[in-house]
Amino acid sequence: LAKTTQPISMDSYEGQEVNITCSHNNIATNDYITWYQQFPSQGPRFIIQGYKTKVTNEVASLFIPADRKSSTLSLPRVSLSDTAVYYCLVGEGNFNKFYFGSGTKLNVKP
Amino acid sequence: GAVVSQHPSWVICKSGTSVKIECRSLDFQATTMFWYRQFPKQSLMLMATSNEGSKATYEQGVEKDKFLINHASLTLSTLTVTSAHPEDSSFYICSARIGTGSFQPQHFGDGTRLSIL
Repeated sequence: LAKTTQPISMDSYEGQEVNITCSHNNIATNDYITWYQQFPSQGPRFIIQGYKTKVTNEVASLFIPADRKSSTLSLPRVSLSDTAVYYCLVGEGNFNKFYFGSGTKLNVKP
Repeated sequence: GAVVSQHPSWVICKSGTSVKIECRSLDFQATTMFWYRQFPKQSLMLMATSNEGSKATYEQGVEKDKFLINHASLTLSTLTVTSAHPEDSSFYICSARIGTGSFQPQHFGDGTRLSIL
């Protein structure tokens, strides 16, 4: 069971870069790391996914060290609309199951 | 692409009623669909995993006779909450995946708010 641990909450200001770290010490060899964003009363939205090193898309970057026991989601220049809960999810390999951790409540202030 | 539609988005009904929630993948075929439940200010809890044409796999503590899951096609899964009671009130969310490799992300519906009076 690839359990994940994240900070419960973070505060930031508009325009700042935000880094949210997730710990997943028991990640399996064939597991990928996926980050989701969730607004109140909505389903989670895919942000980014990676296996190792660094992945970047138009909204975020994902940094994964060589041991893959943690990952960091980087959101450049956040705005008020980025206030949401962010979850990291680690695949369960062959068992095709995913368990959400507590998530990180990001509060962006003006 | 990869849109998942969930219906209804909100339902209020009396205790003892059975409620059906639909989850459809609109532009892809979903090998696997998942059902989650989320209580206020809490994380998503996996209820069950369903593969098209086979019985759903329920997580420990989830009553399969109460939460009936049917995955009759590659684009449709349904969750029926039978004889619902107030403690079943929650936010139910489905997701769908293409394929079974762990590199395939889940695509989520927008959830169904179920309120049992």
